[in-house]
Amino acid sequence: EVQLLESGGVLVQPGESLRLSCAASGFTFSNFGVSWVRQGPGKGPEWLSGISSSGGGPYYADSVKGRFTMSRGTSENTLYLQMNSLRAEDTAVYHCVKHQSSYYHGFDVWGLGTTVSVSS
Amino acid sequence: QTVVTQESSLSVSPGATVTLTCGLSSGSVSTTNYPSWYQQNPGQSPRTLIYSTTSRSSGVPDRFSGSILGKKAALTITGAQADDESTYYCVLYMGSGVVLFGGGTKLTVL
Repeated sequence: EVQLLESGGVLVQPGESLRLSCAASGFTFSNFGVSWVRQGPGKGPEWLSGISSSGGGPYYADSVKGRFTMSRGTSENTLYLQMNSLRAEDTAVYHCVKHQSSYYHGFDVWGLGTTVSVSS
Repeated sequence: QTVVTQESSLSVSPGATVTLTCGLSSGSVSTTNYPSWYQQNPGQSPRTLIYSTTSRSSGVPDRFSGSILGKKAALTITGAQADDESTYYCVLYMGSGVVLFGGGTKLTVL
């Protein structure tokens, strides 16, 4: 069974940094693209960043470019999202999502998400 | 800045057919945007329904179908059921690695 388990979400103050992790299992991690998607309270999902299995990316949404960095773990089936200079508007549930293919032909399986709160 | 457009809300009677659409603020949607559709109920993660325009995700009932209608992508629910009441999101691939979500359509079955 394909599973994605996010972790690392906590309450932080504006301007602080945070690294989220996503542990993948049940599929050959290196064969599929993966993305981070967030959903703020009462809002729709927002794609943040994606990386392909063939070496393309990471790619970023304009809203996080320059502040967030996505990476794959080198030796384990893990995905990371380094988030710097956090703002109140970054408060959201952050999901990692497996793609249907090497990059984007659609999303496949979604993790349950980890909650990031940015507040003073 | 390009925006993915969806109806904010729609309603359908049980057993009837409803079509949700997904467009672009500038231009037409095509198969090269790999339109995909996701269903989300309150408090849950989105669930994949349709990918690559017409492909149904595993376990999705065949009453859900995807297509291109004119300049938009479309999700058609044939024979709507009560538990289809949900919010539906369209996602488009914009090229250069960038993916965009639509604002979602809240579907009421009544």
